[in-house]
Amino acid sequence: AQSVTQPDIHITVSEGASLELRCNYSYGATPYLFWYVQSPGQGLQLLLKYFSGDTLVQGIKGFEAEFKRSQSSFNLRKPSVHWSDAAEYFCAVGTTYNQGGKLIFGQGTELSVKP
Amino acid sequence: DVKVTQSSRYLVKRTGEKVFLECVQDMDHENMFWYRQDPGLGLRLIYFSYDVKMKEKGDIPEGYSVSREKKERFSLILESASTNQTSMYLCASTGRRETQYFGPGTRLLVL
Repeated sequence: AQSVTQPDIHITVSEGASLELRCNYSYGATPYLFWYVQSPGQGLQLLLKYFSGDTLVQGIKGFEAEFKRSQSSFNLRKPSVHWSDAAEYFCAVGTTYNQGGKLIFGQGTELSVKP
Repeated sequence: DVKVTQSSRYLVKRTGEKVFLECVQDMDHENMFWYRQDPGLGLRLIYFSYDVKMKEKGDIPEGYSVSREKKERFSLILESASTNQTSMYLCASTGRRETQYFGPGTRLLVL
């Protein structure tokens, strides 16, 4: 069965520091991979996605993620964090065949940004 | 731009009431989903629908039902609301390659 693990429940970084949020997945074939962000009281917004091709994916708001098949990982990175990046981040995996478009979500990582 | 709207942002109901949460998408998407989100538990799938009048149970369907009479609209029904159904409810629809687009959420409080 597919699963997604985000090992860090909560991370605090200083404004201007770099950020890496970890995501590991379990799936037998090549997955579709996603990162979503949720600001307090809001729905989820798509940051970036990986389907195939270049394993380094660029997203909105200066985020990027790298797919590493050998490590079953899809970590999210940002070189310099802004206070407005404080939010909850969700990694998700979809399958490469039609399962009705279902995604499996990780538990989320809450990001706090220190001034 | 894809737009997914939910009928209410905040809702307060009494135990035992029948509650309807509505979701509408404007992109002609086939698949639609209802999740609930609770602190520490992430998103849990309640029901999803891959076509009009079609529905499938997700991971936590107990206490809920759904209705999809039109392609653009997917309703979540709490037949008899209970306090343990106090939660944030998120609707999503699926575009190309399973990219899900989310509504703003409905925060439901059951007293």
